Amino acid sequence: DTGVSQDPRHKITKRGQNVTFRCDPISEHNRLYWYRQTLGQGPEFLTYFQNEAQLEKSRLLSDRFSAERPKGSFSTLEIQRTEQGDSAMYLCASSLAQGTGGFREQFFGPGTRLTVL
Amino acid sequence: QKEVEQNSGPLSVPEGAIASLNCTYSDRVSQSFFWYRQYSGKSPELIMSIYSNGDKEDGRFTAQLNKASQYVSLLIRDSQPSDSATYLCAVLTNAGGTSYGKLTFGQGTILTVHP
Repeated sequence: DTGVSQDPRHKITKRGQNVTFRCDPISEHNRLYWYRQTLGQGPEFLTYFQNEAQLEKSRLLSDRFSAERPKGSFSTLEIQRTEQGDSAMYLCASSLAQGTGGFREQFFGPGTRLTVL
Repeated sequence: QKEVEQNSGPLSVPEGAIASLNCTYSDRVSQSFFWYRQYSGKSPELIMSIYSNGDKEDGRFTAQLNKASQYVSLLIRDSQPSDSATYLCAVLTNAGGTSYGKLTFGQGTILTVHP
């Protein structure tokens, strides 16, 4: 399977704990996105990387959230001091840039479902 | 006003009928539009993309775009029970290079196709 992969698929944690999620994009894709989705809503953008550079962050991404993409390959999303409001599906997507402004389709991974008790 | 709006439904159609899903968006500079299908508990799956005014057909799916009216729709012909899912409209804006491909989603329309 050469699609976007995410790990873990499910995470249950207690309030105040730190959690880290991993995303492996489609191998030739240079753009990687993180979204968050709560029940009954569409996904909301969190942050975006082109290669290893984090180019945009949503105001939804508080100081407790940090994302990295070392070497422009896989990415990690860490949430520190989790709160019950962080419970959601965290989705990763990737796409292939085509020239300047050549935005194309984003393909999503299976997601990581976080439950904060 | 929400940036991307969809009727939340649920929309119920009989098997074999045409399902029509609608989406409006607020940002006039939006350039790219996508429809995703999401089954319960699963992640969004891209089913259609459209970039120019008019219709785009792919199998039983037809996407329609009208940038003047800021309106995009998805038609599903010969609906099947397996089409029952939430359909998400997503809009990508690239305003003067300040956005790097962020998708803004509607809240989704729940479609139920009954036998």
